[in-house]
Amino acid sequence: DTAVSQTPKYLVTQMGNDKSIKCEQNLGHDTMYWYKQDSKKFLKIMFSYNNKELIINETVPNRFSPKSPDKAHLNLHINSLELGDSAVYFCASSQVSLDFSSGNTIYFGEGSWLTVV
Amino acid sequence: RKEVEQDPGPFNVPEGATVAFNCTYSNSASQSFFWYRQDCRKEPKLLMSVYSSGNEDGRFTAQLNRASQYISLLIRDSKLSDSATYLCVVKAASKLTFGTGTRLQVTL
Repeated sequence: DTAVSQTPKYLVTQMGNDKSIKCEQNLGHDTMYWYKQDSKKFLKIMFSYNNKELIINETVPNRFSPKSPDKAHLNLHINSLELGDSAVYFCASSQVSLDFSSGNTIYFGEGSWLTVV
Repeated sequence: RKEVEQDPGPFNVPEGATVAFNCTYSNSASQSFFWYRQDCRKEPKLLMSVYSSGNEDGRFTAQLNRASQYISLLIRDSKLSDSATYLCVVKAASKLTFGTGTRLQVTL
């Protein structure tokens, strides 16, 4: 059983299009995240939600809009896609918001490979 | 200076070798430290947490030096299956920051 699942795994789309990536976790975690990993393998947080509430919003263009209908789901919508948006987007979740002590850890989904052409 | 810095490698070592990776971090208020492993085209997965007194998990040993602001990972008796990218991860101000990783290639 996949703990954190995201779809689609691969997405090739043209500049200017709008696309969504969906994420679901079945771990009962309170907190979910979106990370972006670029071509240089730099993994950077974009957003974090705790119980459907936005708690981290890094410097991300307004074209990126997360939506959390419930604590088990966190979707990412991207408007007007640009070439520079090409990257791997990882969804993740953790049990306790931002507390990674005592072995508490963050679990990642398998990633969504987005290519904008 | 980057928040978390690692030598990107690759480190090419023969099976059975011992290899060590270092990672430096810039924020002296960092609270927690981890090593994650990421296989090619896969998601990162927790390898081990790093505790102040140092800790060991089988062939893997992690050390923390707060004074010099670096952490290390030692892998003994390398296996082919250890080939991956090892990400240094630091928690500060309630946020996890990932290094860009050190790539390890273990060969026959």
